[in-house]
Amino acid sequence: DSGVTQTPKHLITATGQRVTLRCSPRSGDLSVYWYQQSLDQGLQFLIHYYNGEERAKGNILERFSAQQFPDLHSELNLSSLELGDSALYFCASSSVWLNEQFFGPGTRLTVL
Amino acid sequence: SQELEQSPQSLIVQEGKNLTINCTSSKTLYGLYWYKQKYGEGLIFLMMLQKGGEEKSHEKITAKLDEKKQQSSLHITASQPSHAGIYLCGADPNTDKLIFGTGTRLQVFP
Repeated sequence: DSGVTQTPKHLITATGQRVTLRCSPRSGDLSVYWYQQSLDQGLQFLIHYYNGEERAKGNILERFSAQQFPDLHSELNLSSLELGDSALYFCASSSVWLNEQFFGPGTRLTVL
Repeated sequence: SQELEQSPQSLIVQEGKNLTINCTSSKTLYGLYWYKQKYGEGLIFLMMLQKGGEEKSHEKITAKLDEKKQQSSLHITASQPSHAGIYLCGADPNTDKLIFGTGTRLQVFP
């Protein structure tokens, strides 16, 4: 158990819908990262938050947004969902940027 | 943009055999990370290498960073079924973003 929790574990929804994925980092970790993993794209870095502020952006679509709250949990919002958004979404946390990242178990999103 | 290429893509070995996985970067490596992933699960951190020539070991896994070649290798000695999974290398291209290789799927049969 990495100490990082993600909810829900599975999510099935329809195209055009909006969903919110939630991540709670390890106790004391200020950094939260979001990744998308699909069969054709591999593991893609989406976004990094540090203590509530956006620190770095990767290949994140404009339909996607994220935030980190004062209690350090983070949410990834995916809107106007398309079939191609079906993937595993991972959250990771670390105490310091570019240090060991602890990954959550992931949320498997299926868009039908 | 920087890319990481892993080889081989897939590896099937007999238990007890040694194996090596390579990760080659298209640009200079400032930091290289190795992770292991069980199918459909989260990634488990293995090692981080930062300096050229650096070598680290954990149990039967050794990773090296050859900065000149922009390459890292992960070597497993006397492989066991518990080593099976997907091995991913990740790198910091000095742009505050992390990138990952496409992964190497390892299967170990008794």
